[in-house]
Amino acid sequence: KNEVEQSPQNLTAQEGEFITINCSYSVGISALHWLQQHPGGGIVSLFMLSSGKKKHGRLIATINIQEKHSSLHITASHPRDSAVYICAVKESGGSNYKLTFGKGTLLTVNP
Amino acid sequence: NAGVTQTPKFQVLKTGQSMTLQCAQDMNHNSMYWYRQDPGMGLRLIYYSASEGTTDKGEVPNGYNVSRLNKREFSLRLESAAPSQTSVYFCASSEADGMDTQYFGPGTRLTVL
Repeated sequence: KNEVEQSPQNLTAQEGEFITINCSYSVGISALHWLQQHPGGGIVSLFMLSSGKKKHGRLIATINIQEKHSSLHITASHPRDSAVYICAVKESGGSNYKLTFGKGTLLTVNP
Repeated sequence: NAGVTQTPKFQVLKTGQSMTLQCAQDMNHNSMYWYRQDPGMGLRLIYYSASEGTTDKGEVPNGYNVSRLNKREFSLRLESAAPSQTSVYFCASSEADGMDTQYFGPGTRLTVL
């Protein structure tokens, strides 16, 4: 069974700091998603990766397929980045529709 | 565009009662999903519908039924609610499969007493 582990579970930062959230998984995958869950509960998809690196504004996501690891970086963090960040993977060869989700990383950015 | 909408936002049931959670999307997506989110656990897939007219079980389907009423709507029914079904339920949609971005509804917070 695929295990998706995120670290750290909780992260507190000061405004302006560079943030890294990690995601590791145990089986081969064909896609990895990063999502953001706001304090109010809404979930928004940030990135879908199958290789390499993607950038959107201050957010950068990278994936190393061989090492079964992905990172989400936030540059120049801001209090509005405070949220739960969730990693989810689609297994290679598994159902095309099923994702396995990590438990999330709670990020708090203080002003 | 409203995106993905869910009703109701909150619901309290007594054990044994039934209810239907409604979900609709206006993005002309083929695939729709129902997830539950519990404290300390990742989102878990209950059922999904790859296309209009099809539904399939996910990771935790017991105690639930679904209907893909048309391309826009995907409902989740609890026939006889149990306290273990206390959770936050999210509906999502995507253009096709797990390689595509999923768009989530605002969630329904359900408490079963």
